[in-house]
Amino acid sequence: DAGVTQSPTHLIKTRGQQVTLRCSPKSGHDTVSWYQQALGQGPQFIFQYYEEEERQRGNFPDRFSGHQFPNYSSELNVNALLLGDSALYLCASSLNPYNEQFFGPGTRLTVL
Amino acid sequence: ILNVEQSPQSLHVQEGDSTNFTCSFPSSNFYALHWYRWETAKSPEALFVMTLNGDEKKKGRISATLNTKEGYSYLYIKGSQPEDSATYLCAHNTGTASKLTFGTGTRLQVTL
Repeated sequence: DAGVTQSPTHLIKTRGQQVTLRCSPKSGHDTVSWYQQALGQGPQFIFQYYEEEERQRGNFPDRFSGHQFPNYSSELNVNALLLGDSALYLCASSLNPYNEQFFGPGTRLTVL
Repeated sequence: ILNVEQSPQSLHVQEGDSTNFTCSFPSSNFYALHWYRWETAKSPEALFVMTLNGDEKKKGRISATLNTKEGYSYLYIKGSQPEDSATYLCAHNTGTASKLTFGTGTRLQVTL
């Protein structure tokens, strides 16, 4: 079992650009959650996808959007990037929305 | 307590020392408390999921306790080893939200 995988590992973008991050869940998991970890903080919940729909959302602007595909993989899209979007983006998958979450290694996004 | 708080922020111990960290969380509408171990450049690894007041869980030299009435959990490491060096995160979710709310973590450094 490959566990939760994320791509790319690192990404550098400039302000105003758009970015797409990808996540493949652990085999058998149907729920994907996304978190942002800024420097010096704990991971902050962005949103959760279940059955291809956004089930729950944290306190993030509409510039942050996502998608879940029929194979349960997921994408996180961020539009109009700001310097403050520089962070580690973590994806977690679980058997269902309330089950234990397993994390991927993250994508490090740098916005210049 | 309105948020998840962890203390200390960082800790430096010698090999063989035993140590413990604290996680405080809102006690209302409690559902589960999670402990993760996160080594640099790796995925956060789930250590424990605790749901019942008075719960005690153990995994090798690491153990955890839970008090849901007063809103705290302790993580203990007995006989610390250099490979225990990592950031230890706790996260909480409520009965109405499957999202995890994280603390900022305790960074443990174990030296020979």
